[in-house]
Amino acid sequence: EIVLTQSPGTLSLSPGERATLSCRASQSVSSRYLAWYQQKPGQAPRLLIYGASNRATGIPDRFSGSGSGTDFTLTISRLEPEDLAVYYCQQYGSSPVTFGPGTKVDIK
Amino acid sequence: EVQLLESGGGLVQPGGSLRLSCAASGFTFSSYAMSWVRQAPGKGLEWVSTISGSGGSTYYTDSVKGRFTISRDNSKNTLFLQMNSLRVEDTAMYYCAKGPYSSSPILFDCWGQGTLVTVSS
Repeated sequence: EIVLTQSPGTLSLSPGERATLSCRASQSVSSRYLAWYQQKPGQAPRLLIYGASNRATGIPDRFSGSGSGTDFTLTISRLEPEDLAVYYCQQYGSSPVTFGPGTKVDIK
Repeated sequence: EVQLLESGGGLVQPGGSLRLSCAASGFTFSSYAMSWVRQAPGKGLEWVSTISGSGGSTYYTDSVKGRFTISRDNSKNTLFLQMNSLRVEDTAMYYCAKGPYSSSPILFDCWGQGTLVTVSS
């Protein structure tokens, strides 16, 4: 099973700042099958990024993903107050699919 | 617009059973894999089970194999999860999630609002 580690655990930034979230896998993620989800308080998760760098339908271009192999990054270029959420990475290249523990983004 | 509406959650004693349902609309249900993903209170996300669009292939996480059964009725656009021999550690919000493919790889591009399952004596 591929174990995903996310850092930092919590990120506290001001509106307009850049957020960089990391996801590291215990083994190489095949075919860049790495996704990112956003979960706002009290809501269901929402798909942001799939295939490591492809934005899902309706996702603003301030969200971008990059990386390959074992190291992946989600970048939010200019934070907005509504970006307050927990962000999870997920690998879907090998069974079982697994999620990281999440990074909480706080807005100052 | 894709909509997923879960139901069937509730309070059950350890060893008991529950059947979750997910009513889908807004897309061609039989063309896409469907999954259940759970989230224990205050914890992260955990994939539980997936069924292919045709229903011919099913996948489970190890901790529920032999206890949970995923199924679907493509004529009624409904996904099910039969949960038997429930344990305290199965307590979670259970989300129904749609995949963008008919089978693997297992990805979740749309989620329901969830139904809460509490296993307690």
